[in-house]
Amino acid sequence: AQSVAQPEDQVNVAEGNPLTVKCTYSVSGNPYLFWYVQYPNRGLQFLLKYITGDNLVKGSYGFEAEFNKSQTSFHLKKPSALVSDSALYFCAVRDGNNFNKFYFGSGTKLNVKP
Amino acid sequence: DAGVTQSPTHLIKTRGQQVTLRCSPKSGHDTVSWYQQALGQGPQFIFQYYEEEERQRGNFPDRFSGHQFPNYSSELNVNALLLGDSALYLCASSLAPGNTEAFFGQGTRLTVV
Repeated sequence: AQSVAQPEDQVNVAEGNPLTVKCTYSVSGNPYLFWYVQYPNRGLQFLLKYITGDNLVKGSYGFEAEFNKSQTSFHLKKPSALVSDSALYFCAVRDGNNFNKFYFGSGTKLNVKP
Repeated sequence: DAGVTQSPTHLIKTRGQQVTLRCSPKSGHDTVSWYQQALGQGPQFIFQYYEEEERQRGNFPDRFSGHQFPNYSSELNVNALLLGDSALYLCASSLAPGNTEAFFGQGTRLTVV
């Protein structure tokens, strides 16, 4: 069975500092991993994905994520946080047998303070 | 490109009623999935439609049903509404098959009173 865990309900960081939002996964087979962001009263916006290849994946708005197979982690990172990055972030794993079925984590609220 | 569009954006229904939510996928996309996002939780997979058929279903009762039309648009129907059905319902579209990301609509906020 596929699942993801986001151990932190909330992450607080000061503007300009680096940020990390954690995600660990459990899959049978190859992992297809994604990060999405959700702003208030909005749907989910795609940030980045890992399918295969380099362990460091670059995505939208300056975000990147590091895939670590031995630790089964896919942490989201950004070198310098912006106040506008404040939102709800979801890690997701795609079902290996179903191209459009995603399992989402419970979400991490990122608060970036000026 | 309008992306994924959902209607209505907000809806209030009474317990026991029936509701229909609508989704138009991103241009060129042929696969539509529906998710339920309860307050404070991540989205939960309801079901997926491809070639006008339900292809896979999550852990949701038969009160939840759907349909996909020849133009790839989709409807989600919920019968005998319960208070616990109150949630944000998200539609996602993608191309099938492939390792592509899903594109989500803004959602329909359903409140059951």
